[in-house]
Amino acid sequence: SQTIHQWPATLVQPVGSPLSLECTVEGTSNPNLYWYRQAAGRGLQLLFYSVGIGQISSEVPQNLSASRPQDRQFILSSKKLLLSDSGFYLCAWSARGRMSSYEQYFGPGTRLTVT
Amino acid sequence: QKEVEQDPGPLSVPEGAIVSLNCTYSNSAFQYFMWYRQYSRKGPELLMYTYSSGNKEDGRFTAQVDKSSKYISLFIRDSQPSDSATYLCAMRGSGYSTLTFGKGTMLLVSP
Repeated sequence: SQTIHQWPATLVQPVGSPLSLECTVEGTSNPNLYWYRQAAGRGLQLLFYSVGIGQISSEVPQNLSASRPQDRQFILSSKKLLLSDSGFYLCAWSARGRMSSYEQYFGPGTRLTVT
Repeated sequence: QKEVEQDPGPLSVPEGAIVSLNCTYSNSAFQYFMWYRQYSRKGPELLMYTYSSGNKEDGRFTAQVDKSSKYISLFIRDSQPSDSATYLCAMRGSGYSTLTFGKGTMLLVSP
């Protein structure tokens, strides 16, 4: 069965510090991968999605970036965090190719507080 | 007009009640509809997935899609305190790469 991991689970970082959040998927190959942010009262905001290694689409211009160095690894980064970057960051995957599906499956999330 | 509208709640019901959760949408291209359940401080969990119009039942849960009215519903029968969570609807069209989510409805089921 498929499993999606995210770490760290919680993070407290000062303004201006860098950020690196990691997401890995097990039990599937060639997935679509997604990064979302969920802020209180604002719903799920899609930040980035990737259909393959090195292929990243950005949905919202901001000081965050994403990379996909391996098939089942997705990284969210920032060089300098802002207070407004605080939130609950969720990684998700969906099947692609022969097992293509529309539904997405979410990881446990990373709660980021920028102080 | 937002693409997907969902009442944020909270919706408070007693244990055993039938719960109706709803979303309306504006994009007639949406064909695939999903419901997610999210417990506090956890990632969303896929509950139901339906394609086009009609009903789909899974245990105590029934998902209903009315494309002519651009309206989808999730019914929960015999609600339990463990059903207390935020319920998110999501949808996408054929050929779209991404899902469009509602903001979620918070459900509270009291014993």
